[in-house]
Amino acid sequence: GAGVSQSPSNKVTEKGKDVELRCDPISGHTALYWYRQSLGQGLEFLIYFQGNSAPDKSGLPSDRFSAERTGGSVSTLTIQRTQQEDSAVYLCASSLLSGNTIYFGEGSWLTVV
Amino acid sequence: AQSVTQLDSQVPVFEEAPVELRCNYSSSVSVYLFWYVQYPNQGLQLLLKYLSGSTLVKSINGFEAEFNKSQTSFHLRKPSVHISDTAEYFCAVSFSYGGSQGNLIFGKGTKLSVKP
Repeated sequence: GAGVSQSPSNKVTEKGKDVELRCDPISGHTALYWYRQSLGQGLEFLIYFQGNSAPDKSGLPSDRFSAERTGGSVSTLTIQRTQQEDSAVYLCASSLLSGNTIYFGEGSWLTVV
Repeated sequence: AQSVTQLDSQVPVFEEAPVELRCNYSSSVSVYLFWYVQYPNQGLQLLLKYLSGSTLVKSINGFEAEFNKSQTSFHLRKPSVHISDTAEYFCAVSFSYGGSQGNLIFGKGTKLSVKP
């Protein structure tokens, strides 16, 4: 596609439910990143993929968070047993090579009620 | 550890006035610096970046930023702002380029509000 595509754009879920957020990077981009943007916390790095492997998972806030990438393309960020503090915009980004210019999607707005 | 500080959370300014958005970073290694802009209800867009070479970098819409290693700063400036510049601006640092994971560390953002 022309840009990084994320779905859903908005998600409201009940506390305790699991959610999946999807990211479709720019075609041919080997690096994929997940960030979280929330009030008071700014932009937080969550995880980075190079191909299908994740050399840096240091930003995942707890073991309720996991991510995978298949086929070197689409990635899914899963949040289990959601909590209200998980409410945020989850941003996906991709780049052609590690360290090159990073292009962001428009984000998935998650609200946990 | 690397960190980025944007000293001003909000900057109100009148149209056609100059503006400076401040960014300071902390790092023990060489850094690469970026400014991203987020317009209302939109995603992050790269505005400009410093990787190497000339310390003064410019965007296509009149913004510029200068890398100052001694002051560990990368302030963003525009001599005359337009209402359409109203957005949130994020300074970011990557402590390695091409060799590391390319993880960007962001400042907390500065909301620029341009008034007529």
